[in-house]
Amino acid sequence: NAGVMQNPRHLVRRRGQEARLRCSPMKGHSHVYWYRQLPEEGLKFMVYLQKENIIDESGMPKERFSAEFPKEGPSILRIQQVVRGDSAAYFCASSGGPTDTQYFGPGTRLTVL
Amino acid sequence: AQKVTQAQTEISVVEKEDVTLDCVYETRDTTYYLFWYKQPPSGELVFLIRRNSFDEQNEISGRYSWNFQKSTSSFNFTITASQVVDSAVYFCALSEAVRGDMRFGAGTRLTVKP
Repeated sequence: NAGVMQNPRHLVRRRGQEARLRCSPMKGHSHVYWYRQLPEEGLKFMVYLQKENIIDESGMPKERFSAEFPKEGPSILRIQQVVRGDSAAYFCASSGGPTDTQYFGPGTRLTVL
Repeated sequence: AQKVTQAQTEISVVEKEDVTLDCVYETRDTTYYLFWYKQPPSGELVFLIRRNSFDEQNEISGRYSWNFQKSTSSFNFTITASQVVDSAVYFCALSEAVRGDMRFGAGTRLTVKP
């Protein structure tokens, strides 16, 4: 399967813990995007990365959230000290270029107890 | 600023009916891209179509068709002879050439009843 992969598919955390979400882009894609979907809402852009660079993080909360896309390995979205309001589906997408079609992974559903 | 409006929150039709999902967008850019994605009950996001701002030709793919009209800033999606498997949330999205992110509409939940 050469599609975008995300893991874990489901993640349960207690308030105050850390959540790490991983995304492996489609083969040949070097652009990765993270989006958040709150229940019954549309997707909201969080951050856009290329290998080793954050291109646009205008949609990401300034505190507790960080993202990286290292030279080797998957992109990581990290949420520190999670709160109930962080419960959502987090989708990763990848593309071959900034204006190319973005293909989405299956998402990680984060539940904060 | 870019904005996408899907005014129809929910639509319910009976199988074999035609249904049109509306999408209106706002952007200051002259070069931009429009998309439709499908999110079935299983939750994944399925890419349906991409259109660039210079291509106003309507597109047909099987039972799906798209009507892009720059004059009204609309990119509507029609499903002909709907089927139960078409039941999903459909999202319209806009991407500007100078930015990498996509701005999504709130989505339209389509229910097709047998």
